[in-house]
Amino acid sequence: DGGITQSPKYLFRKEGQNVTLSCEQNLNHDAMYWYRQDPGQGLRLIYYSQIVNDFQKGDIAEGYSVSREKKESFPLTVTSAQKNPTAFYLCASSVKVNYGYTFGSGTRLTVV
Amino acid sequence: GESVGLHLPTLSVQEGDNSIINCAYSNSASDYFIWYKQESGKGPQFIIDIRSNMDKRQGQRVTVLLNKTVKHLSLQIAATQPGDSAVYFCAENIAFRGYSTLTFGKGTMLLVSP
Repeated sequence: DGGITQSPKYLFRKEGQNVTLSCEQNLNHDAMYWYRQDPGQGLRLIYYSQIVNDFQKGDIAEGYSVSREKKESFPLTVTSAQKNPTAFYLCASSVKVNYGYTFGSGTRLTVV
Repeated sequence: GESVGLHLPTLSVQEGDNSIINCAYSNSASDYFIWYKQESGKGPQFIIDIRSNMDKRQGQRVTVLLNKTVKHLSLQIAATQPGDSAVYFCAENIAFRGYSTLTFGKGTMLLVSP
């Protein structure tokens, strides 16, 4: 089955630690995206990548970093510089610009 | 788990009723719009899309209407079922630094009573 897989589903982090969220897709999509979701605020764009080895900051990139070394993979690192990292993180992909996104099932990150 | 529906506008309907969820979008240059459904703890699922050269598009039990004059989008769900209970988001395609990305509204929670 083709799809987009996020792991882990739940993640706990101590303050001051970096954590990396995984996102893998086997849909052969060129574009991949990371969104953050907080209660009552919808989805906010963190980073996106239209092609391998290229990515762009979204609206709330501070405290996050990404890489796109392979077409299938777009990992997100939440760094210690992110002051309020507790949230639901969603990865998405699309076949190309101006087409709908396919979303993963999300990772819920909690800082303890 | 934590609900993504806290503090969201809520539409409560009875099973079998028709539901209408509204969305105001921000950018008159947006050329592509999508409705997503999100159940608690899951990722959003694509429902229906519409491009700016259309004003109406129908799917199975769903219809999207686009009014570019007032920058308004609506999702109509016919014969609403309990399984339709979820948060619904509209999204608009906006160009950003030469790329296009989707910008999402804050969502509306639909509650369907049996």
